[in-house]
Amino acid sequence: QKEVEQNSGPLSVPEGAIASLNCTYSDRGSQSFFWYRQYSGKSPELIMFIYSNGDKEDGRFTAQLNKASQYVSLLIRDSQPSDSATYLCAGGTNAGGTSYGKLTFGQGTILTVHP
Amino acid sequence: EADIYQTPRYLVIGTGKKITLECSQTMGHDKMYWYQQDPGMELHLIHYSYGVNSTEKGDLSSESTVSRIRTEHFPLTLESARPSHTSQYLCASSEPRTGGHEQYFGPGTRLTVT
Repeated sequence: QKEVEQNSGPLSVPEGAIASLNCTYSDRGSQSFFWYRQYSGKSPELIMFIYSNGDKEDGRFTAQLNKASQYVSLLIRDSQPSDSATYLCAGGTNAGGTSYGKLTFGQGTILTVHP
Repeated sequence: EADIYQTPRYLVIGTGKKITLECSQTMGHDKMYWYQQDPGMELHLIHYSYGVNSTEKGDLSSESTVSRIRTEHFPLTLESARPSHTSQYLCASSEPRTGGHEQYFGPGTRLTVT
């Protein structure tokens, strides 16, 4: 089992719809979670991070974290064609030891928003 | 906003050549990372550093080596390039914040070994 697993894609939604991207993680030591957007041929760009259970909103993006279920999600409201990209979920630990500061990335979910 | 730079952006080189991929950041971040990513594939951590004179191998075995002599500079070297090294190499940096370590990526170097 991968440490960070994202819902299989690709995901296609119409413009204006809500896109829902999901991620599960197996390491209960993971405490911080990040969503990156990666356009084709470009480097990942950090768009959201969440450390506490619950929801965190930033503009059209909402990140949700449920540590009991080991589940992270990203909602994109009013999806636009410019949101079409690969979305990477990543988990990290704040504890000491060899994993400190390292992120474990999921395989990514390709999102296409069609007009 | 992250200020992290990578050069060259694109490199085509013949088998057996020695190459160094440069990565610099101006934010004073202690932690720096090198990832390898093939098109459409996952990111794989190949090296990381927690500060000057500190380097560790990542989760994916790599024939490359790194050094960290200055905080802002984290170059990656391949002593003898092979076609199997063809990939995109991404450098990132982070600093500890309350709750986690947000990593910021450079633009990447796309390496092709012929």
